[in-house]
Amino acid sequence: EVQLVESGGGLVQPGSSLKLSCVASGFTFSSYNMHWIRQAPKKGLEWIALIYYDSSNKYYADSVKGRFTISRDNSKNTLYLEMNSLRSEDTAMYYCAHSGGSHWGQGVMVTVSS
Amino acid sequence: DIVMTQGALPNPVPSGESASITCQSSKSLLHSNGKTYLNWYLQRPGQSPQLLIYWMSTRASGVSDRFSGSGSGTDFTLKISSVEAEDVGVYYCQQFLEYPRTFGAGTKLELK
Repeated sequence: EVQLVESGGGLVQPGSSLKLSCVASGFTFSSYNMHWIRQAPKKGLEWIALIYYDSSNKYYADSVKGRFTISRDNSKNTLYLEMNSLRSEDTAMYYCAHSGGSHWGQGVMVTVSS
Repeated sequence: DIVMTQGALPNPVPSGESASITCQSSKSLLHSNGKTYLNWYLQRPGQSPQLLIYWMSTRASGVSDRFSGSGSGTDFTLKISSVEAEDVGVYYCQQFLEYPRTFGAGTKLELK
């Protein structure tokens, strides 16, 4: 069974940093591209980043480019999202998702507030 | 960026009736390989999104055949035949032709 489990969220102050993790199981993690997608409270879905299976390419939404970094460790079956210079508008549930969108994690909440 | 625009449903939808959700893209999602790069998702209340349809009209594994996707290069429809209680939630279309991947704003389905 495919499982994606996010962690690392929490309440942080504006301007601070946070690193999210997503541990994958049930499939050959190193063979698939992976996404981060977020959803602000009561809002729709926003795609924010993708990383190729071998880390050779990374793509970002303009809203996070230059502040967020997606990475992965295939030896640990883990996807990461490093978030810097956090703003109140980054407050959201953050989901990791399998390449084609067929599997999503349960999400981890990030709240940016003073 | 490709803009995805979703239509609204005349909520609430009576149980057992059919419902159609529309989605329009600002650019054709039809690739030269003949495939249309559009997904449909359902997000039930309190849950993560679930993939329903990919390549515009292919049902994802385990998805009921009451769900069907159709369309052209820029205009798409998700049809739900005989709406049931488990279909309640917000439906999203998403293009995966280009980066950034973009979603529609969502269409809420409520049951009568």
